[in-house]
Amino acid sequence: KAGVTQTPRYLIKTRGQQVTLSCSPISGHRSVSWYQQTPGQGLQFLFEYFSETQRNKGNFPGRFSGRQFSNSRSEMNVSTLELGDSALYLCASSLRTGQTEAFFGQGTRLTVV
Amino acid sequence: SQQGEEDPQALSIQEGENATMNCSYKTSINNLQWYRQNSGRGLVHLILIRSNEREKHSGRLRVTLDTSKKSSSLLITASRAADTASYFCATGSGGYQKVTFGTGTKLQVIP
Repeated sequence: KAGVTQTPRYLIKTRGQQVTLSCSPISGHRSVSWYQQTPGQGLQFLFEYFSETQRNKGNFPGRFSGRQFSNSRSEMNVSTLELGDSALYLCASSLRTGQTEAFFGQGTRLTVV
Repeated sequence: SQQGEEDPQALSIQEGENATMNCSYKTSINNLQWYRQNSGRGLVHLILIRSNEREKHSGRLRVTLDTSKKSSSLLITASRAADTASYFCATGSGGYQKVTFGTGTKLQVIP
């Protein structure tokens, strides 16, 4: 059974640009959550999608958005990048929302210069 | 903001010793999970304990949950160098089970 796949693994962008990150969950999983991890703030919850609908949202500005497709794959978009957006972005999939264990991808390391 | 706070922030022990990490949280929960993260990589799920459970075991791991004190502990027995990693607790709460991670404990096991 394939695990959670995040692409790309590494990304370097310039301030002001936008970026799209992709997450393919484990087959059969319908919930996808996104997290931002930085040394200073730790693991911060961004949002969760279940059956193509955003179910939960963390405290991030509107520049951070996401969506989920009918095959449960999810994308996360960050517009007008700032230096502080440099982080490891982790995606997690689970069968349902939060009740069961979440399986994490290896993450996308985003560097904004 | 973080729901959970792990204590200690860092822990260094000799191989073969036991390691205990604690997690305190603020609001009522439906479940609590522990994860391990090796440097800069994804998180690996270790164990989930529900709010109506008090103790759970999985191999060398033992997790306890005290909902009256809003705290949990993770015990790793007979630690190995491969256990070197950061350990996070994550609480699930709310109607759609929003999962919130703690600040993490960095464990170093010295061979």
